[in-house]
Amino acid sequence: QVQLLESGPGLVKPSEIMSLTCSVSGGSIISPGFCWTWLRHLPGRGLEWLACIFDNGETYYNPSLKSRLTISLDTSKNQFSLTLRSVTAADTAVYHCARDRILGDHYYGLGVWGHGTTVTVSS
Amino acid sequence: EIVLTQSPGTLSLSPGERASLSCRASQDIDSAYIAWYQHKSGQPPRLLMYRASYRADGIPDRFSGSGSGTDFSLTITSLEPEDFAMYYCQRYGSTPFTFGPGTKVDL
Repeated sequence: QVQLLESGPGLVKPSEIMSLTCSVSGGSIISPGFCWTWLRHLPGRGLEWLACIFDNGETYYNPSLKSRLTISLDTSKNQFSLTLRSVTAADTAVYHCARDRILGDHYYGLGVWGHGTTVTVSS
Repeated sequence: EIVLTQSPGTLSLSPGERASLSCRASQDIDSAYIAWYQHKSGQPPRLLMYRASYRADGIPDRFSGSGSGTDFSLTITSLEPEDFAMYYCQRYGSTPFTFGPGTKVDL
């Protein structure tokens, strides 16, 4: 059973860079047909899809955040990561990593989620 | 960008009652591009339905999904105590894979 565990800084100062890591256990990150995904749950608001990456390195980003985001894979550690630059208080959220099953134009949903890590942006 | 709206915002029901949740898209969407999630406070979201009407692994058959075009729905035929939660629809197809604002099902 694949499990995901997020790790992050907890507290980040405005204008700084936030880096999050998702450790994958119970399966390999080299798995065709899965897009490793980052999402966030903004306080008092809903879920926001941020980015995903396939095992071949193909990436997709939320256009509204693309200029500040980078998603990457570390196959040697079975992890994937998200970097968000120039953070503001509006980036305060619970950040989740998840595994999305996508086969071509067929979407099977975010079937595996991490419990999330809270990131607060404050000076 | 296709926007999803969900209604009602809050659905106040009792155990045993039927819940009908709506998800409306600003443009036609292939039904294969709709998923539904349940979210309880302090837990990660849980995939309920994919491709609008297919139940995810382990999801009880009191949950069902349907719809086409711009109108999609999630139905819970008889609410169990553990079903009181937030429910989100999500669309695929083109990124970003946006979510609706959610419907809260509460007592």
